[in-house]
Amino acid sequence: AQKVTQTQTSISVMEKTTVTMDCVYETQDSSYFLFWYKQTASGEIVFLIRQDSYKKENATVGHYSLNFQKPKSSIGLIITATQIEDSAVYFCAMRVGYAQGLTFGLGTRVSVFP
Amino acid sequence: EAAVTQSPRNKVAVTGGKVTLSCNQTNNHNNMYWYRQDTGHGLRLIHYSYGAGSTEKGDIPDGYKASRPSQENFSLILELATPSQTSVYFCASGDARLGGRDTLYFGAGTRLSVL
Repeated sequence: AQKVTQTQTSISVMEKTTVTMDCVYETQDSSYFLFWYKQTASGEIVFLIRQDSYKKENATVGHYSLNFQKPKSSIGLIITATQIEDSAVYFCAMRVGYAQGLTFGLGTRVSVFP
Repeated sequence: EAAVTQSPRNKVAVTGGKVTLSCNQTNNHNNMYWYRQDTGHGLRLIHYSYGAGSTEKGDIPDGYKASRPSQENFSLILELATPSQTSVYFCASGDARLGGRDTLYFGAGTRLSVL
């Protein structure tokens, strides 16, 4: 069975700084996909970024980037130049196989202060 | 604009009653999913579907049924609602052509309270 663990429940940062949050996953499969989602205060859940297990390069989209450490089964999310609107809950998720939905972590709440 | 729309947005039900949560997507996606979100448990998969006429059990299907009458619509049915089913329910759609890279698109959620 797959498992995704986010140990940080909440993080507070100052605006325009960098925030890093951790995610550790468990799977026996050699092929898998890792995702990060953001849930805003209104409850909306939006996709941010994805890492494919077979790719060595860390994915980057806008001011989001990933720190993929495959030997440690770790996929960290890095947000640079944070803005107030980055305040949200961030979920790490994994898919093994096809069309079976995603397994989610419990989320990390990020609060960005001016 | 492509979207996933859930109805109702809020629902209060009585214990033992039947509840139907509806989801409509205009993304033309084959895959659809129902999740529930609870504090301390995160998002958990209840049922999913590969296309019209198909429903599959997810990780926590007990007490729930699903129906996929068309590509666009996917319903979650609670035949005998219980207070433990009080939760926020999210529907999502995904593009089967992407395989494992499929990125889920979520609806706005339905807040269900079973009294």
